[in-house]
Amino acid sequence: AQKITQTQPGMFVQEKEAVTLDCTYDTSDPSYGLFWYKQPSSGEMIFLIYQGSYDQQNATEGRYSLNFQKARKSANLVISASQLGDSAMYFCAMREANTGNQFYFGTGTSLTVIP
Amino acid sequence: SQTIHQWPATLVQPVGSPLSLECTVEGTSNPNLYWYRQAAGRGLQLLFYSVGIGQISSEVPQNLSASRPQDRQFILSSKKLLLSDSGFYLCAWSLWSQGAEAFFGQGTRLTVV
Repeated sequence: AQKITQTQPGMFVQEKEAVTLDCTYDTSDPSYGLFWYKQPSSGEMIFLIYQGSYDQQNATEGRYSLNFQKARKSANLVISASQLGDSAMYFCAMREANTGNQFYFGTGTSLTVIP
Repeated sequence: SQTIHQWPATLVQPVGSPLSLECTVEGTSNPNLYWYRQAAGRGLQLLFYSVGIGQISSEVPQNLSASRPQDRQFILSSKKLLLSDSGFYLCAWSLWSQGAEAFFGQGTRLTVV
């Protein structure tokens, strides 16, 4: 089974609008971490935000927030006030405590911000 | 501060030729090290990871191998490249903690011709 599932291959959003990128995960480990990365066309992987499985509050980092719904095993990334520079691939990833050395990545979502 | 260096940035190699991609990390000790491959428009496939010198775990049986001769050096190799080895290769490091993010190098675009 896939550890991380991103069901949206491509998304479009109007500039200045908010957008939600979906991510669901599968784990039986009660202790895990969830990560979002941005990959612009240059190829570099940029870390955006982290959510721990025991965190009580949703993580936020500037315009990025993580909608963490533990019972549903979802960790959706919300980008507020989209900017043209947000156009990129976005990857969700998970790291489990009992297999803590590995990062499991989803297949990614391509986001295009329309002016 | 920690930095990760990966080279070369681009590489065009003929089928059957050898490969050596190198990755080094500065500013940290005993990092976890990773090699990922990304096919065009696709996600990241974990190839190898290492938790210490000489300790390599392989995720996918393939034409590639990895070595960690020093604490902060990770090398991806092949004796004979295949067309299917083309892709974008990313090296990354992290601390052991599950809450520690991975930091990626700039990547190597490999084209096998």
